[in-house]
Amino acid sequence: SQQGEEDPQALSIQEGENATMNCSYKTSINNLQWYRQNSGRGLVHLILIRSNEREKHSGRLRVTLDTSKKSSSLLITASRAADTASYFCATDRNSGGSNYKLTFGKGTLLTVNP
Amino acid sequence: EAQVTQNPRYLITVTGKKLTVTCSQNMNHEYMSWYRQDPGLGLRQIYYSMNVEVTDKGDVPEGYKVSRKEKRNFPLILESPSPNQTSLYFCASSRTGDLSNQPQHFGDGTRLSIL
Repeated sequence: SQQGEEDPQALSIQEGENATMNCSYKTSINNLQWYRQNSGRGLVHLILIRSNEREKHSGRLRVTLDTSKKSSSLLITASRAADTASYFCATDRNSGGSNYKLTFGKGTLLTVNP
Repeated sequence: EAQVTQNPRYLITVTGKKLTVTCSQNMNHEYMSWYRQDPGLGLRQIYYSMNVEVTDKGDVPEGYKVSRKEKRNFPLILESPSPNQTSLYFCASSRTGDLSNQPQHFGDGTRLSIL
């Protein structure tokens, strides 16, 4: 089963508004990552948050992690039309020794209307 | 410019006709991986390679082969393609196989249609 699940599946907002996407996961993790995928393109890494961190910022992005609730959120402030994309969380799972595999959720499709 | 390059970007072919999707990265990364992306199923790993001559199955390896003869290249081979392999394919690389602690870099994808 999927390790990470994003919520909502789709989100439509107006330019300038904030967008919040959530990710829930089932088993313990070391780190959690967020990726963006523009239509017809590959995934682009946005931010990595470690399990001992509660919040991390990068430009207009704010990521929180609550390991007790096994959930993370991605907040995009002052959204722009160019933020229109699908957003994925990726959680790690131990595949043996020090190696980890990433499991991606199904994504949240964000549409920012001009 | 650091990048992962996949070719072709689009391919329509017929059942049973062998095809190869190439992937090349110019970042001297040890780890490379292939994913397929299907509606409602998300991104699923097909095969991965921790380094040259080291490959291993991902979650959905059936019907695919890979090779890693050189560090920069990681081709995906469909020996006898079938319609259920119609999908959007992504190649990705990272500096090492410790995916928990570093980003993966993705190619722009190959949209494959098997008729």
